[in-house]
Amino acid sequence: DAGITQSPRHKVTETGTPVTLRCHQTENHRYMYWYRQDPGHGLRLIHYSYGVKDTDKGEVSDGYSVSRSKTEDFLLTLESATSSQTSVYFCAISEEIESKNIQYFGAGTRLSVL
Amino acid sequence: DAKTTQPPSMDCAEGRAANLPCNHSTISGNEYVYWYRQIHSQGPQYIIHGLKNNETNEMASLIITEDRKSSTLILPHATLRDTAVYYCIVRVRDIKSNFGNEKLTFGTGTRLTIIP
Repeated sequence: DAGITQSPRHKVTETGTPVTLRCHQTENHRYMYWYRQDPGHGLRLIHYSYGVKDTDKGEVSDGYSVSRSKTEDFLLTLESATSSQTSVYFCAISEEIESKNIQYFGAGTRLSVL
Repeated sequence: DAKTTQPPSMDCAEGRAANLPCNHSTISGNEYVYWYRQIHSQGPQYIIHGLKNNETNEMASLIITEDRKSSTLILPHATLRDTAVYYCIVRVRDIKSNFGNEKLTFGTGTRLTIIP
């Protein structure tokens, strides 16, 4: 499982409240990603990180921010949660194997914004 | 990245080979074909990838046509635990220049159901 832990696994919150999701890895991978998965859309990239304090936006970054103050943790923050952010969130890391890039995913966080 | 087309669903009898097709007719020479699957309520799982030669690992085999416009993922002896959504993804080969933007475009995949 590439040593990826997402927390919490489930969360229910109210519109307008801040929410932080945590992705923790134990194998010192440089690249980390946050995706969201919604019915009919597959997985979509929110933000990614290519090192400590180095992050960039994905295709659906509005309303989200990220931080990576140490290699093992990549945090996703919803500053003011909205119902449209109800989704399943997956964290992933990249592992380069024989010069090929393979991503490994965490178990996901199911977030409901009421 | 090249677009892929997969059938929305397939059934396969337990113990038989499951053959999942993928069309990627616009693939270019430096793009790999990757397969992932997602078992219900779990994160996606890497299965196999290839460029132009057929590949086999402990999970599956990947057959890529000579013109590279299509491929087939083969699960040789399907079990109930192989029931999942299977995604065929085409990704650019030059990971060094694109590493910072290595997003996966999953599409909707093929829902494979293994029948007892």
